Amino acid sequence: GAVVSQHPSWVICKSGTSVKIECRSLDFQATTMFWYRQFPKQSLMLMATSNEGSKATYEQGVEKDKFLINHASLTLSTLTVTSAHPEDSSFYICSAQQGGGEKLFFGSGTQLSVL
Amino acid sequence: DQQVKQNSPSLSVQEGRISILNCDYTNSMFDYFLWYKKYPAEGPTFLISISSIKDKNEDGRFTVFLNKSAKHLSLHIVPSQPGDSAVYFCAASYGQNFVFGPGTRLSVLP
Repeated sequence: GAVVSQHPSWVICKSGTSVKIECRSLDFQATTMFWYRQFPKQSLMLMATSNEGSKATYEQGVEKDKFLINHASLTLSTLTVTSAHPEDSSFYICSAQQGGGEKLFFGSGTQLSVL
Repeated sequence: DQQVKQNSPSLSVQEGRISILNCDYTNSMFDYFLWYKKYPAEGPTFLISISSIKDKNEDGRFTVFLNKSAKHLSLHIVPSQPGDSAVYFCAASYGQNFVFGPGTRLSVLP
């Protein structure tokens, strides 16, 4: 199946710093990528949808200035958590949809811990 | 309003028996349904899917059934194995819209 690489898998940062998470589709072109957040024992919460070359669409309640999403190419989307705070600590997962395809392929996730 | 519901937060099954995970949806626009399996600290992995034009899709030990009139789908795993212990998410989609259920934690007991 299609492979989505997410990096880093684990990051610890100090409060107030910014963290960038990368999501790459390795063997297909992802016209659409999604970013999720998962809290313990809860479902995946969609944060935003990004289409290559255009601005991301954020879900209600998600601060677009805090969670910057860039989808500059058909194989790469990045999520930058700016001025991170301890409450931003969570498991972030990306997924990618191949153009014309119906399935979503997920990255392995990034565990962010903000001290 | 939850468009995709998985009413059982957890399920325990004996190894070798059948596991049945249920999912209900409310939006009749959904035309494609997927099941994902997720281990702790990992991204979900795709298991099996079904289009709304079908009522059954089988892949090895996994079978998904779709009842459009009831807006209900289920995932059957038989025989269940300890390695199947994970959280299972049901997802419904149309176009670029994907909605996930809250997940059901399956524990397969040896």
